[in-house]
Amino acid sequence: GDSVTQMEGPVTLSEEAFLTINCTYTATGYPSLFWYVQYPGEGLQLLLKATKADDKGSNKGFEATYRKETTSFHLEKGSVQVSDSAVYFCALSDPMDSSYKLIFGSGTRLLVRP
Amino acid sequence: EAGVAQSPRYKIIEKRQSVAFWCNPISGHATLYWYQQILGQGPKLLIQFQNNGVVDDSQLPKDRFSAERLKGVDSTLKIQPAKLEDSAVYLCASSLVGLAGARRHTQYFGPGTRLTVL
Repeated sequence: GDSVTQMEGPVTLSEEAFLTINCTYTATGYPSLFWYVQYPGEGLQLLLKATKADDKGSNKGFEATYRKETTSFHLEKGSVQVSDSAVYFCALSDPMDSSYKLIFGSGTRLLVRP
Repeated sequence: EAGVAQSPRYKIIEKRQSVAFWCNPISGHATLYWYQQILGQGPKLLIQFQNNGVVDDSQLPKDRFSAERLKGVDSTLKIQPAKLEDSAVYLCASSLVGLAGARRHTQYFGPGTRLTVL
């Protein structure tokens, strides 16, 4: 079945450091890919998405490119801030699945120190 | 635009008791999802409604979990009787009708209900 694999955390960085969180997926079709973020005590918020190969999603300085050849959707940010500390979830939605449900990775906690 | 509302935010019960969670989706969103998020894991779909009909409940433990969405708006998720392993955050999400077009598939999540079963 469809699945998403994320790098384990926590990832600890200093402010202004470069961030990469790896995400790879397995799907039968051509899924839409998403990054959600969960700040402490809050629900999941959509950070960015991409719906086809080579699409780049971007928001708030974060970027991720849909790489079909490597089945990856790695999250990057050039300069992290303390306020970026949160748990980041990679997810897919398979159009072959009529429910369009989201399948999530296990999440990666990011801690940014001043 | 108001987001997805959920209540209560926290609930502590003893095993074998029953509990219910409530969700009010974003106005106009026909599709509603309930996810279970166990600590340290990503959310997993329990049940999906489109309007007031069930689209997918294949992962819902039907011997103890039930859900309904009367009039195609609000939804309740019930657990009876609860087990220790039901301790989790229960997330409600909604989206526009799931037709072609990626934007309509974007799911918006509520803050969740954190359930602790003792």
